[in-house]
Amino acid sequence: EIVLTQSPGTLSLSPGERATLSCRASQSVGSSYVAWYQQKPGQAPRLLIYGASSRAAGIPDRFSGSGSGTDFTLTISRLEPEDFAVYYCHHYGSSWTFGQGTKVEIK
Amino acid sequence: EVQLVQSGVEVKKPGESLKISCKGSGYSFTSYWIGWVRQMPGKGLEWMGIIYPGDSDTRYSPSFQGQVTISADKSISTAYLQWSSLKASDTAMYYCARRGTGVDYWGQGTLVTVSS
Repeated sequence: EIVLTQSPGTLSLSPGERATLSCRASQSVGSSYVAWYQQKPGQAPRLLIYGASSRAAGIPDRFSGSGSGTDFTLTISRLEPEDFAVYYCHHYGSSWTFGQGTKVEIK
Repeated sequence: EVQLVQSGVEVKKPGESLKISCKGSGYSFTSYWIGWVRQMPGKGLEWMGIIYPGDSDTRYSPSFQGQVTISADKSISTAYLQWSSLKASDTAMYYCARRGTGVDYWGQGTLVTVSS
């Protein structure tokens, strides 16, 4: 069973700063089936990135994804006030698994 | 417009059974996997299982195998998640979600509260 480990658990940043979120898989997962989601309180998750690096429809270009194999990164180039939320990585192959989440909070 | 609409809030007692639903519209329901995801209060996302409505191929997370049953009725474009005997620890928000390019569409969630 693949385990996804996200780091850090919490990221304290100011608007305008760059956020770098990490997701490490317990074994190689390629890149085709790795996604990132944003979740705000009381809302369902929203797809940001699929296939490790492709932006979903309507997602601003300040969000970018990279990586392959076991190491994946979500980068938010300049944080906007609406970006403060919890972010999850996800492997959605023949079975699914989620990372435990990274909370991006206002410093 | 693609939509997944889930059934409403449930309040149940321990030991009771429950079946919640997720109705898809705006796309070919039989052509996409549907997954179920649990989110316990204040916690992260947990994958429970997935089903392909076209042929009802179903896969479960080891953590949920034997604890729940996932099914689908393609004639009414609806997927289901059911329990035969609820426990207090089943209290959570449950989401259905479609696997397209990524898991691209999510239901609004069904809140299940199990309390005596």
